[in-house]
Amino acid sequence: EAGVAQSPRYKIIEKRQSVAFWCNPISGHATLYWYQQILGQGPKLLIQFQNNGVVDDSQLPKDRFSAERLKGVDSTLKIQPAKLEDSAVYLCASSPAPYIYEQYFGPGTRLTVT
Amino acid sequence: KQEVTQIPAALSVPEGENLVLNCSFTDSAIYNLQWFRQDPGKGLTSLLLIQSSQREQTSGRLNASLDKSSGRSTLYIAASQPGDSATYLCAVDFGGSQGNLIFGKGTKLSVKP
Repeated sequence: EAGVAQSPRYKIIEKRQSVAFWCNPISGHATLYWYQQILGQGPKLLIQFQNNGVVDDSQLPKDRFSAERLKGVDSTLKIQPAKLEDSAVYLCASSPAPYIYEQYFGPGTRLTVT
Repeated sequence: KQEVTQIPAALSVPEGENLVLNCSFTDSAIYNLQWFRQDPGKGLTSLLLIQSSQREQTSGRLNASLDKSSGRSTLYIAASQPGDSATYLCAVDFGGSQGNLIFGKGTKLSVKP
């Protein structure tokens, strides 16, 4: 079974530029999560999708971050414009459903904003 | 505020030693607790998932326990090996929002040959 795929693996941009990350979850997983992990911290949930609907985006900085999940499968996370404090690893995870199933994580995208 | 705490932040042990990693959490009303491993520059690998109704889970040399009443979980690693060196993260689903995990900051484990 293929795991969660993410691209790119690394990205360096200047502040005020825009960037987009892509995630392809495990086939058949209805729930998809985007997390932000700042160096030395545990991951923090940014947004959660159930199929193609958003169920939790309470911690997403909506003035600069946006996300969508096309047809309930792939997802993209966008930052526009980027700030220095957005430097982090962005992790995508998926699970068959929330609550009782474990979450499977992709390798992450390391973003550096200069 | 729902929080997850992991102590110590770092741990170094000689190969072959049995060790315990600790995780504490506020609010005993949890759905489940999950232990992850994270290698440098990599994503998270799920190790064990303990449902609210369970007391422990085992996988190979790993054993995780859950005591909701005291707000604690432990991850026991038997006969540690250098390949076990990684950061171990504890994450709790408090049930606030459909499977939202709250993570601790992790314990960085180093197993010396």
